[in-house]
Order: sequence, then C-alpha cells, then structure tokens
Amino acid sequence: KAGVTQTPRYLIKTRGQQVTLSCSPISGHRSVSWYQQTPGQGLQFLFEYFSETQRNKGNFPGRFSGRQFSNSRSEMNVSTLELGDSALYLCASKGPSYNEQFFGPGTRLTVL
Amino acid sequence: DQQVKQNSPSLSVQEGRISILNCDYTNSMFDYFLWYKKYPAEGPTFLISISSIKDKNEDGRFTVFLNKSAKHLSLHIVPSQPGDSAVYFCAANDATSGTYKYIFGTGTRLKVLA
Repeated sequence: KAGVTQTPRYLIKTRGQQVTLSCSPISGHRSVSWYQQTPGQGLQFLFEYFSETQRNKGNFPGRFSGRQFSNSRSEMNVSTLELGDSALYLCASKGPSYNEQFFGPGTRLTVL
Repeated sequence: DQQVKQNSPSLSVQEGRISILNCDYTNSMFDYFLWYKKYPAEGPTFLISISSIKDKNEDGRFTVFLNKSAKHLSLHIVPSQPGDSAVYFCAANDATSGTYKYIFGTGTRLKVLA
C-alpha cells in the first residue's frame, strides 16, 4: 500500500497571502488529521476529518480551515498568512483497524 | 496548557546501553498512548503503543511502561543503536471518546553515540 502523501513538500509565501495544502491518505483510511509542528512546540493538533465531516478541532484561529473529499483526500487552507505560521504541516491518516495514525512527510511552509 | 509533557528535550546514550525516554500527562481521561520516532525531513513513524488496561508492552528492542497512578509513561530502548538517533514523541488519546484527537508532547531528541 502507498503511504500518506502530501503536496507540495515545500512552500514559500509572503504575509497576507493564503495557502492550500493537500493530503492523500492511505487507501481505505477515512480519518485524516492535520498537525502543525514548530520548534519547541511539538505537534499541535489542528483538526480531524472523517467521512467528509470535521470531527475534532484544535485551538487554532479561524484562518486555519480544512475539508475532506469523498475519496478521503483532504486539504488544509490558511488565509491571511502570518510570520508565525511558518512550520511543518503534517497530515496523518488512520484506518478502522488501528489506533495509530500514519503520517505523511509533511509540507514545510515558510512565510516571509 | 500542555497535557502531555516530555521534560527532557535531549538525551545522549552510548551505543549498546539502555535509552529511557519519559513522558507525563495530566488528563486522566487519556487511555491510549503511543510513541513515534521522527527523522529530519520525514513524518513521524509509529513505534509502539499501550492501552491503559496494561502497564507494559514490548516489541523487540522497544518496551513502553505505563504508570497510571503517576500519569507517567516511559519508552525503553535496549540495546540502543546509532540508527535510533531521532526525535521521539509521545502522544495520548481518549479512545472512549470515539474520536482521534491525539495530543503530542514536545519531543525528546535522542542521540546514540557509537
């Protein structure tokens, strides 16, 4: 089985712009979660989607949003980018038979 | 409020010795715990997990211990190998909630010296 894929791998944007990141989960996995990783902060939970519905949300401002499509692929959008949004954004998928999540390689976002 | 804490940002261990990574949590509703390993430029890789109904789980060189009364878990790696050098994250979830909002610690960077 192919693993979790994320595109793009690297992205450079300027303040005020918006960005969309994409995640394709492992085939058969319907749960997709997004995390933000910054130095010293570990992985901060953004949100989880299951069958096109947001099931959980972390403590991030409304500028961070997401969605999931019928094929379980997910996108994350950040509007009005700020310098502090520079981070590694990780996507993880989970299947019905496991309690563990499987992570993609991440998208490194740099905001200038 | 950091519900999952890894108080040691880094750890150095000699090859062949035991590595012990620690994790504390505050939320008594957490009942499933996981350890992940992360190399630079890669996503975290699942290592081992433990349910709150157990106090120990082993998988090869990796053993996780859970002390529910102390709200503490630890990962033991024996023997440590240079390839184990990575950042290790612990994570916790309230599995009874039926959803999967994993809370991660800030990570411990392990360096295994040859």
